[in-house]
Amino acid sequence: KAGVTQTPRYLIKTRGQQVTLSCSPISGHRSVSWYQQTPGQGLQFLFEYFSETQRNKGNFPGRFSGRQFSNSRSEMNVSTLELGDSALYLCASSLQGYTQYFGPGTRLTVL
Amino acid sequence: DQQVKQNSPSLSVQEGRISILNCDYTNSMFDYFLWYKKYPAEGPTFLISISSIKDKNEDGRFTVFLNKSAKHLSLHIVPSQPGDSAVYFCAAEPIQGAQKLVFGQGTRLTINP
Repeated sequence: KAGVTQTPRYLIKTRGQQVTLSCSPISGHRSVSWYQQTPGQGLQFLFEYFSETQRNKGNFPGRFSGRQFSNSRSEMNVSTLELGDSALYLCASSLQGYTQYFGPGTRLTVL
Repeated sequence: DQQVKQNSPSLSVQEGRISILNCDYTNSMFDYFLWYKKYPAEGPTFLISISSIKDKNEDGRFTVFLNKSAKHLSLHIVPSQPGDSAVYFCAAEPIQGAQKLVFGQGTRLTINP
């Protein structure tokens, strides 16, 4: 079974721009979660989607948003990018109620 | 407020010996705990988990111990192999399946030949 895939793997943007990251979960997984990893804050939960509905949300500003499609694929959007948004963004999928499996991540650099 | 803490940023162990990675948590509501391993430029890989109703779970070379009264868990790797060199993250969920993991800061494990 193919694992979680994320595109693009690397991205460079400038302050003020917006960015969209994509995640395709493991086949059959309907829950998709997003995490941000930075050297200072570590791995932090952004939000989780299940059946196209956001079920959980972490403590991030409204500039961070997401959505999930009917095929369980998910996108994450960050608007008005700031330098501090530079991070590794990780997507994880799971069968409801079970272990989360992570993708390779998207490395976002904001200049 | 760091709810899940891994107080050792790094650990060095000789190949063939036991590696013990520790994790403490402050939130007594956590119900389910997991360990992930991470290589640079890759996503975390799930290793092993434990529910709060258990005090031990074993899977091959990996064993996780949970001490609820001390709010402490540990991961034992026996025997340690060079391929185990990576960063290990402890994570917790308030309810199993809540899909909202709280991670520790990670411990970099280096296995020396």
